[in-house]
Amino acid sequence: AQSVSQHNHHVILSEAASLELGCNYSYGGTVNLFWYVQYPGQHLQLLLKYFSGDPLVKGIKGFEAEFIKSKFSFNLRKPSVQWSDTAEYFCAATYNQGGKLIFGQGTELSVKP
Amino acid sequence: KAGVTQTPRYLIKTRGQQVTLSCSPISGHRSVSWYQQTPGQGLQFLFEYFSETQRNKGNFPGRFSGRQFSNSRSEMNVSTLELGDSALYLCASRPTGTSGAIYSYNEQFFGPGTRLTVL
Repeated sequence: AQSVSQHNHHVILSEAASLELGCNYSYGGTVNLFWYVQYPGQHLQLLLKYFSGDPLVKGIKGFEAEFIKSKFSFNLRKPSVQWSDTAEYFCAATYNQGGKLIFGQGTELSVKP
Repeated sequence: KAGVTQTPRYLIKTRGQQVTLSCSPISGHRSVSWYQQTPGQGLQFLFEYFSETQRNKGNFPGRFSGRQFSNSRSEMNVSTLELGDSALYLCASRPTGTSGAIYSYNEQFFGPGTRLTVL
């Protein structure tokens, strides 16, 4: 079955620490991958996406993700987090040209000032 | 451009009732999808509409239904409400390509959601 899993449910970091959030997707055909963020009280917004080409994808607010096909992974990274990065992060995938987004369970990130 | 709008933002119903939620996509977007967000199950896909036709459906019972109008606005209906239907219901729209087709890599833009509480 097509699925997405996120390794960490809750991550706590201090400001300026580096961030890496894990995401794995199952095999299911052609895949497109996304990272969405939900800030407290706000709606889901796209951080970055991968559908082809360079496996290192850069998104907004200094985030990047690397698509590693052999590991079925699409981990999110940021070299130095800020307090304003406190939010819930969702990894998601679409398969085989479909529009159905399959989401991971989400990772809640808390950044201490 | 205005974002995706959803009405109402909050709703309280009792078991057995039915409810209709509304979604207006971003102007020009013809694809609308619905998702349910709960603490236990996370974000789950309900269905997608494109040009007034349901393209895809998630694993939800028949009590959950939807439709799309010619202006791309969409409604979602839940009949015979159960306590477990309490959730945040999110609507998302996405643009079409220059050919008028939609692509799976197109970003879905989410609305603020409708918080449904079933008592």
